[in-house]
Amino acid sequence: GQQLNQSPQSMFIQEGEDVSMNCTSSSIFNTWLWYKQDPGEGPVLLIALYKAGELTSNGRLTAQFGTTRKDSFLNISASIPSDVGIYFCAGSSRSQGGSEKLVFGKGTKLTVNP
Amino acid sequence: GAVVSQHPSRVICKSGTSVKIECRSLDFQATTMFWYRQFPKQSLMLMATSNEGSKATYEQGVEKDKFLINHASLTLSTLTVTSAHPEDSSFYICSASYLSSYNEQFFGPGTRLTVL
Repeated sequence: GQQLNQSPQSMFIQEGEDVSMNCTSSSIFNTWLWYKQDPGEGPVLLIALYKAGELTSNGRLTAQFGTTRKDSFLNISASIPSDVGIYFCAGSSRSQGGSEKLVFGKGTKLTVNP
Repeated sequence: GAVVSQHPSRVICKSGTSVKIECRSLDFQATTMFWYRQFPKQSLMLMATSNEGSKATYEQGVEKDKFLINHASLTLSTLTVTSAHPEDSSFYICSASYLSSYNEQFFGPGTRLTVL
């Protein structure tokens, strides 16, 4: 089945630093989603990407849909303590008009030291 | 917008009993709802996909007779864990999407199930 390789598994950074994480796949996806999960909570959608090469920002977050359709990255600039959590990438192979199940990466655990 | 709720948030039950978890889309009509379980420090594992008025589609290895899913309306899906055992203890999360949401899934806050 489809699998996503997400890296790094964990990151320990100082407040104010920039962060980058990425996901790669052996197969093509038409949708890439980035979620953040806080402990004991459900994932919250951060950014959705639908076109190869697309670069989308949401505040201090920026994500890109790779041109090969097999990868995506998420950048967080000027990290703050509340950025702590687990970040998941997710991909889907259906582009529109229906709900296709998502394939999830294993997550990147981010720790921000004040 | 796109708010999903789950109830209860936590449940503790005795082995052998059944537990029902509700998932509701509060401000949209969910054409599809998904049920996941998540073990500590692991990613989300899809259990089943359900469309309103249809039988759920279960992932390989998930027992449909043990995890009963009902999607009776466009805003409500339920997951019933029947004859629960300690190994069923986990974090259960639902998500919902709508026809024009382009595969975006909106997640509920999760339900922590502990089976004694």
